Amino acid sequence: EVQLLESGGDFVQPGGSLRLSCAASGFTFSTYVMTWVRQPPERGLEWVSTISSSGDSASYADSVKGRFTISRDNSKSILYVQMNSLRVEDTAVYYCAREGASRAAADSWGQGTLVTVSS
Amino acid sequence: DIQMTQSPSTLSASVGDRVTITCRASQSLSDLLAWYQQKPGKAPKLLIYKAFNLQIGVPSRFSGSGSGTEFTLTISSLQPDDFATYYCQQYISYFRTFGQGTKLEIK
Repeated sequence: EVQLLESGGDFVQPGGSLRLSCAASGFTFSTYVMTWVRQPPERGLEWVSTISSSGDSASYADSVKGRFTISRDNSKSILYVQMNSLRVEDTAVYYCAREGASRAAADSWGQGTLVTVSS
Repeated sequence: DIQMTQSPSTLSASVGDRVTITCRASQSLSDLLAWYQQKPGKAPKLLIYKAFNLQIGVPSRFSGSGSGTEFTLTISSLQPDDFATYYCQQYISYFRTFGQGTKLEIK
Protein backbone atom coordinates (compact mmCIF):
# COMPACT_ATOMS: atom_id res chain seq x y z
CA GLU A 1 0.00 0.00 0.00
CA VAL A 2 1.32 3.42 -0.99
CA GLN A 3 1.80 5.70 2.01
CA LEU A 4 2.99 9.28 2.21
CA LEU A 5 3.44 10.80 5.64
CA GLU A 6 4.24 14.50 5.99
CA SER A 7 5.78 16.00 9.08
CA GLY A 8 7.45 19.19 10.23
CA GLY A 9 4.53 21.57 10.16
CA ASP A 10 4.64 24.16 12.92
CA PHE A 11 3.90 27.71 14.01
CA VAL A 12 6.63 30.11 12.87
CA GLN A 13 7.10 33.87 12.79
CA PRO A 14 7.41 35.79 9.53
CA GLY A 15 10.93 35.59 8.19
CA GLY A 16 11.50 32.23 9.82
CA SER A 17 12.38 28.87 8.32
CA LEU A 18 10.94 25.40 8.40
CA ARG A 19 11.71 22.08 6.75
CA LEU A 20 8.92 19.71 5.87
CA SER A 21 9.47 16.00 5.28
CA CYS A 22 7.41 13.39 3.49
CA ALA A 23 8.24 9.77 4.24
CA ALA A 24 7.21 7.40 1.46
CA SER A 25 6.58 3.68 1.59
CA GLY A 26 4.88 0.96 -0.40
CA PHE A 27 6.46 1.83 -3.75
CA THR A 28 9.85 2.35 -5.40
CA PHE A 29 10.32 5.98 -4.41
CA SER A 30 13.31 6.61 -6.67
CA THR A 31 11.28 6.02 -9.83
CA TYR A 32 8.59 8.63 -9.16
CA VAL A 33 8.37 12.37 -9.66
CA MET A 34 7.22 14.01 -6.42
CA THR A 35 5.34 17.23 -5.78
CA TRP A 36 4.35 19.59 -2.97
CA VAL A 37 0.91 21.20 -3.08
CA ARG A 38 -0.48 23.57 -0.47
CA GLN A 39 -3.91 24.78 0.55
CA PRO A 40 -4.37 28.00 2.53
CA PRO A 41 -7.27 27.97 5.01
CA GLU A 42 -10.65 27.97 3.25
CA ARG A 43 -9.01 28.29 -0.16
CA GLY A 44 -8.13 26.17 -3.17
CA LEU A 45 -5.16 24.00 -4.03
CA GLU A 46 -1.91 25.67 -5.05
CA TRP A 47 0.96 23.81 -6.69
CA VAL A 48 4.25 24.61 -4.93
CA SER A 49 7.10 22.55 -6.40
CA THR A 50 7.95 19.37 -8.30
CA ILE A 51 11.18 17.36 -8.37
CA SER A 52 12.34 14.74 -10.84
CA SER A 53 12.78 11.14 -9.80
CA SER A 54 16.56 11.48 -9.65
CA GLY A 55 16.42 14.83 -7.92
CA ASP A 56 18.47 16.60 -10.57
CA SER A 57 15.75 18.97 -11.71
CA ALA A 58 13.01 20.91 -9.97
CA SER A 59 10.39 23.54 -10.70
CA TYR A 60 8.78 26.10 -8.40
CA ALA A 61 5.73 28.32 -8.31
CA ASP A 62 6.60 31.99 -8.66
CA SER A 63 5.19 32.62 -5.19
CA VAL A 64 7.91 30.48 -3.55
CA LYS A 65 10.80 30.65 -6.01
CA GLY A 66 14.01 31.72 -4.33
CA ARG A 67 12.63 30.98 -0.85
CA PHE A 68 11.70 27.27 -1.01
CA THR A 69 13.98 24.39 -2.01
CA ILE A 70 12.66 20.93 -2.80
CA SER A 71 14.94 17.92 -2.42
CA ARG A 72 14.79 14.19 -1.94
CA ASP A 73 16.80 11.36 -0.42
CA ASN A 74 16.11 8.31 -2.54
CA SER A 75 18.14 6.08 -0.23
CA LYS A 76 15.72 6.91 2.60
CA SER A 77 12.55 7.44 0.49
CA ILE A 78 12.02 10.91 1.89
CA LEU A 79 10.94 14.11 0.14
CA TYR A 80 11.77 17.49 1.65
CA VAL A 81 10.96 21.11 1.21
CA GLN A 82 13.11 23.73 2.92
CA MET A 83 11.09 26.90 3.42
CA ASN A 84 12.96 30.12 4.18
CA SER A 85 11.87 33.75 4.55
CA LEU A 86 8.38 32.58 5.40
CA ARG A 87 5.49 34.98 4.94
CA VAL A 88 2.01 35.14 6.43
CA GLU A 89 0.64 34.10 3.04
CA ASP A 90 2.59 30.81 3.22
CA THR A 91 0.17 29.67 5.91
CA ALA A 92 -1.40 26.49 4.57
CA VAL A 93 -1.74 22.75 4.79
CA TYR A 94 1.13 21.29 2.79
CA TYR A 95 0.59 18.01 0.97
CA CYS A 96 3.16 15.82 -0.71
CA ALA A 97 1.98 13.84 -3.70
CA ARG A 98 3.34 11.13 -5.97
CA GLU A 99 3.25 11.54 -9.71
CA GLY A 100 4.22 9.05 -12.39
CA ALA A 101 7.56 8.75 -14.13
CA SER A 102 7.01 11.78 -16.34
CA ARG A 103 4.13 14.18 -16.89
CA ALA A 104 1.60 12.29 -14.85
CA ALA A 105 -1.21 13.19 -12.51
CA ALA A 106 -0.75 12.96 -8.74
CA ASP A 107 -2.22 9.59 -7.87
CA SER A 108 -1.31 9.37 -4.19
CA TRP A 109 -1.34 12.08 -1.53
CA GLY A 110 -0.28 12.42 2.07
CA GLN A 111 -2.63 13.63 4.78
CA GLY A 112 -0.99 17.05 4.95
CA THR A 113 0.89 19.05 7.56
CA LEU A 114 -0.11 22.53 8.75
CA VAL A 115 2.28 25.46 8.54
CA THR A 116 1.17 28.62 10.31
CA VAL A 117 3.15 31.82 9.79
CA SER A 118 2.13 34.57 12.16
CA SER A 119 3.58 37.16 14.49
CA ASP B 1 2.25 30.07 -16.64
CA ILE B 2 -0.84 28.24 -17.83
CA GLN B 3 -4.04 29.61 -16.30
CA MET B 4 -6.89 27.24 -15.49
CA THR B 5 -10.45 28.52 -15.21
CA GLN B 6 -13.19 26.34 -13.77
CA SER B 7 -16.90 26.97 -13.96
CA PRO B 8 -19.09 27.18 -12.11
CA SER B 9 -17.48 28.04 -8.78
CA THR B 10 -20.45 26.61 -6.94
CA LEU B 11 -23.04 24.13 -8.13
CA SER B 12 -26.21 23.16 -6.29
CA ALA B 13 -27.72 19.83 -7.29
CA SER B 14 -29.80 16.95 -6.00
CA VAL B 15 -29.10 13.25 -5.62
CA GLY B 16 -29.67 11.62 -9.00
CA ASP B 17 -28.89 14.73 -11.04
CA ARG B 18 -26.43 14.78 -13.90
CA VAL B 19 -23.86 17.54 -13.46
CA THR B 20 -21.03 18.91 -15.56
CA ILE B 21 -18.05 21.01 -14.53
CA THR B 22 -15.95 22.83 -17.12
CA CYS B 23 -12.27 23.64 -17.08
CA ARG B 24 -10.61 25.92 -19.62
CA ALA B 25 -6.87 26.34 -20.10
CA SER B 26 -5.07 29.43 -21.37
CA GLN B 27 -3.11 27.27 -23.81
CA SER B 28 -3.32 23.78 -25.22
CA LEU B 29 -2.79 20.92 -22.79
CA SER B 30 -3.17 18.15 -25.34
CA ASP B 31 -4.82 15.65 -22.95
CA LEU B 32 -2.62 16.27 -19.89
CA LEU B 33 -5.41 17.25 -17.54
CA ALA B 34 -6.53 15.66 -14.29
CA TRP B 35 -9.59 15.99 -12.07
CA TYR B 36 -9.48 15.65 -8.29
CA GLN B 37 -12.15 15.41 -5.62
CA GLN B 38 -11.58 16.87 -2.17
CA LYS B 39 -13.73 16.59 0.93
CA PRO B 40 -13.34 18.89 3.96
CA GLY B 41 -10.26 18.10 6.02
CA LYS B 42 -9.08 15.44 3.59
CA ALA B 43 -6.40 15.21 0.93
CA PRO B 44 -7.41 15.45 -2.71
CA LYS B 45 -8.23 12.22 -4.52
CA LEU B 46 -7.43 11.60 -8.17
CA LEU B 47 -10.55 10.83 -10.22
CA ILE B 48 -9.55 11.28 -13.87
CA TYR B 49 -6.15 11.49 -15.59
CA LYS B 50 -5.20 12.26 -19.18
CA ALA B 51 -8.54 13.99 -19.67
CA PHE B 52 -10.77 10.92 -19.73
CA ASN B 53 -9.05 7.98 -18.01
CA LEU B 54 -10.80 6.80 -14.86
CA GLN B 55 -8.45 6.17 -11.93
CA ILE B 56 -8.68 2.66 -10.49
CA GLY B 57 -11.48 2.38 -7.95
CA VAL B 58 -13.38 5.48 -9.09
CA PRO B 59 -17.06 4.81 -9.84
CA SER B 60 -18.07 4.75 -13.50
CA ARG B 61 -20.61 7.55 -12.97
CA PHE B 62 -17.60 9.89 -13.22
CA SER B 63 -16.35 10.68 -16.70
CA GLY B 64 -14.03 13.17 -18.31
CA SER B 65 -13.82 14.56 -21.81
CA GLY B 66 -12.10 17.21 -23.86
CA SER B 67 -8.71 18.05 -25.25
CA GLY B 68 -6.69 21.11 -26.08
CA THR B 69 -8.07 23.93 -23.97
CA GLU B 70 -11.55 22.82 -22.92
CA PHE B 71 -12.39 19.93 -20.66
CA THR B 72 -15.39 18.65 -18.73
CA LEU B 73 -16.02 16.43 -15.74
CA THR B 74 -19.45 14.80 -15.69
CA ILE B 75 -21.15 12.92 -12.89
CA SER B 76 -23.99 10.98 -14.47
CA SER B 77 -26.14 10.42 -11.38
CA LEU B 78 -25.12 12.23 -8.21
CA GLN B 79 -24.75 10.17 -5.08
CA PRO B 80 -24.62 11.54 -1.50
CA ASP B 81 -20.88 10.79 -1.35
CA ASP B 82 -20.20 13.04 -4.36
CA PHE B 83 -20.87 16.34 -2.61
CA ALA B 84 -17.37 17.78 -2.41
CA THR B 85 -15.06 20.25 -4.12
CA TYR B 86 -13.60 19.37 -7.51
CA TYR B 87 -10.38 20.70 -9.04
CA CYS B 88 -8.86 20.40 -12.47
CA GLN B 89 -5.08 20.46 -12.89
CA GLN B 90 -2.81 20.73 -15.90
CA TYR B 91 0.45 18.83 -15.97
CA ILE B 92 1.72 19.46 -19.47
CA SER B 93 3.92 22.16 -17.99
CA TYR B 94 6.57 21.60 -15.34
CA PHE B 95 4.81 24.52 -13.63
CA ARG B 96 1.62 22.74 -12.65
CA THR B 97 -1.53 24.75 -12.06
CA PHE B 98 -4.95 24.02 -10.58
CA GLY B 99 -8.32 25.47 -11.33
CA GLN B 100 -9.90 27.47 -8.53
CA GLY B 101 -12.29 24.66 -7.65
CA THR B 102 -16.00 23.89 -7.97
CA LYS B 103 -17.95 23.28 -4.78
CA LEU B 104 -20.79 20.84 -5.37
CA GLU B 105 -23.53 21.42 -2.83
CA ILE B 106 -26.76 19.67 -2.00
CA LYS B 107 -29.79 21.55 -3.27
